[in-house]
Amino acid sequence: NAGVTQTPKFRVLKTGQSMTLLCAQDMNHEYMYWYRQDPGMGLRLIHYSVGEGTTAKGEVPDGYNVSRLKKQNFLLGLESAAPSQTSVYFCASSSSGGLLTDTQYFGPGTRLTVL
Amino acid sequence: DQQVKQNSPSLSVQEGRISILNCDYTNSMFDYFLWYKKYPAEGPTFLISISSIKDKNEDGRFTVFLNKSAKHLSLHIVPSQPGDSAVYFCAASGGNNNDMRFGAGTRLTVKP
Repeated sequence: NAGVTQTPKFRVLKTGQSMTLLCAQDMNHEYMYWYRQDPGMGLRLIHYSVGEGTTAKGEVPDGYNVSRLKKQNFLLGLESAAPSQTSVYFCASSSSGGLLTDTQYFGPGTRLTVL
Repeated sequence: DQQVKQNSPSLSVQEGRISILNCDYTNSMFDYFLWYKKYPAEGPTFLISISSIKDKNEDGRFTVFLNKSAKHLSLHIVPSQPGDSAVYFCAASGGNNNDMRFGAGTRLTVKP
């Protein structure tokens, strides 16, 4: 079991460029999440998905799009990168959405720098 | 507006002693609280949780205390070990994974 994996681990973009971050999980989890972590702040939820073909906005969705075409994959896209999107991005998954029965499993993160 | 605050960015303790990490929250709707542990170059991993109907939850060397009236929780690690050196995140939620709010983290260093 690889758990939750993220591709790439590091990336440097120029302002205005686009890119897609890939998250994959092999635990057959229904729920998947994308977070960003900035210095001095906690993880903030960007978008999440409650199942294949679904997506929903989190706390900080602006400037990002997501897709969940396959249950095991959750893609995060930046159409026109901005320096404010420099951050560490974490993907997570959980079998259900309820904390009383479940918790999240996180990937190792992607460090993105936008120049 | 940070609803979950960890006011100590770092903490250093001696091996064998107690580590106490603190967390404050502002939203009275939170009723489930978690601690995550993060090593460098890895994602956070779940450590321990507590629901608002309890004031203490224990798991081995780790104990979480919740003071609802003060909107405060703490994580106690006894005895502390060098392998406990990591960043600890406090998180709070109304009950769902998708409404969780995280603190900024406290870096714990346990010295041999």
